[in-house]
Amino acid sequence: AQKVTQAQTEISVVEKEDVTLDCVYETRDTTYYLFWYKQPPSGELVFLIRRNSFDEQNEISGRYSWNFQKSTSSFNFTITASQVVDSAVYFCALSLMDSSYKLIFGSGTRLLVRP
Amino acid sequence: ETGVTQTPRHLVMGMTNKKSLKCEQHLGHNAMYWYKQSAKKPLELMFVYSLEERVENNSVPSRFSPECPNSSHLFLHLHTLQPEDSALYLCASSQDVGVYYGYTFGSGTRLTVV
Repeated sequence: AQKVTQAQTEISVVEKEDVTLDCVYETRDTTYYLFWYKQPPSGELVFLIRRNSFDEQNEISGRYSWNFQKSTSSFNFTITASQVVDSAVYFCALSLMDSSYKLIFGSGTRLLVRP
Repeated sequence: ETGVTQTPRHLVMGMTNKKSLKCEQHLGHNAMYWYKQSAKKPLELMFVYSLEERVENNSVPSRFSPECPNSSHLFLHLHTLQPEDSALYLCASSQDVGVYYGYTFGSGTRLTVV
């Protein structure tokens, strides 16, 4: 069975701090996608990143960076110099390539960035 | 605006009511989805439509009835719901079926069943 665990239910930081959101996944498949989504208070889920299981290269996009480690089945997300606008719920998700429309979500991490 | 519009944003209904949720996308996408987001539970896929044909019904109770009259519109008809059905219902679309194409989500309908 597939599963995504986001152990951090809620994180609170002060603006400009760096923060890492953890994601651990379980699957016996060797081909899969991993995702991060952001859900601001307005409700919609905003796509942040998709990685496939063949590509362990870490990625940086502005203040966001992602660390994918197959050895530990983790796909962690770091926000550098956090801002109040980063406050949201962040979801990690997994999809198997052979059932590619099914996203298996973690329970989410609520991030609060205080001024 | 994400390009996926859901109405209404909020809905309160009694257990004997019949109501419908509406989702509309003007992105030219061929696939549409319903997800349920309950408090303290992961998002759950409910239904998947590709070119107006249902390709997935993820063990959803029959009191939820989807309808996809065309590739731009998706409805979720609700009938004799239970209080535990209270949740945020999210609609999404993608170019074709499959997460590879990237989902665009709407802002959801917050449903409260009383």
